[in-house]
Amino acid sequence: EAGVVQSPRYKIIEKKQPVAFWCNPISGHNTLYWYRQNLGQGPELLIRYENEEAVDDSQLPKDRFSAERLKGVDSTLKIQPAELGDSAVYLCASSLYTQNPYNEQFFGPGTRLTVL
Amino acid sequence: EDQVTQSPEALRLQEGESSSLNCSYTVSGLRGLFWYRQDPGKGPEFLFTLYSAGEEKEKERLKATLTKKESFLHITAPKPEDSATYLCAVDNYGQNFVFGPGTRLSVLP
Repeated sequence: EAGVVQSPRYKIIEKKQPVAFWCNPISGHNTLYWYRQNLGQGPELLIRYENEEAVDDSQLPKDRFSAERLKGVDSTLKIQPAELGDSAVYLCASSLYTQNPYNEQFFGPGTRLTVL
Repeated sequence: EDQVTQSPEALRLQEGESSSLNCSYTVSGLRGLFWYRQDPGKGPEFLFTLYSAGEEKEKERLKATLTKKESFLHITAPKPEDSATYLCAVDNYGQNFVFGPGTRLSVLP
């Protein structure tokens, strides 16, 4: 069974440019998460989707970040415009919804973003 | 504010030398505590979920335990392939989901 797929794996951009990350979750997983991980730190949850609905986006910097999950499958995370401090690894994860929405998340390999 | 701390920050062990990693948390309510393993350049890999104080779970050389304020990940007779960063995270009944900074474990042959 294929795991969580993310693309691109690496992205280098100039500051103030836009960037987008794409995630394809495990087939049948209705919960999808986007995280940001800075070097030497644990992942920080940005947004969680149940199907196509964003149920927790309290940590998403809404002035420059946006996300969508059309048809409740693939998801895209966008940053516009990017700032130097956005350099990090962006991780996508998915899970089957249970009473505990954070149980057993399956992570993709991440997209390493470098903003110059 | 919900907080998760982990210690030590880094740990070097000889192969076969057992030890424990600590995860301390401060949350208003705990629905679940999670342990993940992360290899360089990869996403975290799920290990365990613990729900209540006194609960224990085991997987190969790893055993996770939970008290009201902390969790331990015990590694028995580690092998070099156990080298990774071990992350814990807590779920505050959906109000917050927070990862700790991780412990980088190196097991030397």
